[in-house]
Amino acid sequence: NAGVTQTPKFQVLKTGQSMTLQCAQDMNHEYMSWYRQDPGMGLRLIHYSVGAGITDQGEVPNGYNVSRSTTEDFPLRLLSAAPSQTSVYFCASSYSIWAAEKLFFGSGTQLSVL
Amino acid sequence: DAKTTQPNSMESNEEEPVHLPCNHSTISGTDYIHWYRQLPSQGPEYVIHGLTSNVNNRMASLAIAEDRKSSTLILHRATLRDAAVYYCILSGSGNTGKLIFGQGTTLQVKP
Repeated sequence: NAGVTQTPKFQVLKTGQSMTLQCAQDMNHEYMSWYRQDPGMGLRLIHYSVGAGITDQGEVPNGYNVSRSTTEDFPLRLLSAAPSQTSVYFCASSYSIWAAEKLFFGSGTQLSVL
Repeated sequence: DAKTTQPNSMESNEEEPVHLPCNHSTISGTDYIHWYRQLPSQGPEYVIHGLTSNVNNRMASLAIAEDRKSSTLILHRATLRDAAVYYCILSGSGNTGKLIFGQGTTLQVKP
């Protein structure tokens, strides 16, 4: 198993550009989520999904869109990038949303918006 | 949502035990206590979790207070590779799907 795979690892955007951060998992996990981590800070939840076709907002959803058309993939879209979205983005997944399930994280995407 | 409180930073000497505390005074009866750690420039990784009883695994031990209002992650012999940010989070019916990571405790391990 590859686990949780995020692409790209690094990305530089200009203000106003759009892009999609990719996240895929090969563990047949129902639950997937996106976090952002700003320098010196903890992780903040952006969006999450409890299964294909189901998504919901986390703590900081503004400026981001998600969809979950398959169990394996959970892309994060930035429609019009802003410097405030400069951050490291982590995708995570777990088998279910049962409280005892553990999260598996990807290695992150470092995004800079100029 | 039930929250956790951790010290911002702690120091330890290599090969000595480390006790990382976490307060969660508003924990509900169905909340699990999870610990994750984040090594520099990596994504977080699962360490351990528990509900009421103390738990041990190959990485660490988790000691849960009898009233469940606090817990302690125990690293039995710290190594330089244990230097990381350690997060204590609660997972239960009150925050299903919305696992909230605070700022965690930054652990420094001195040789």
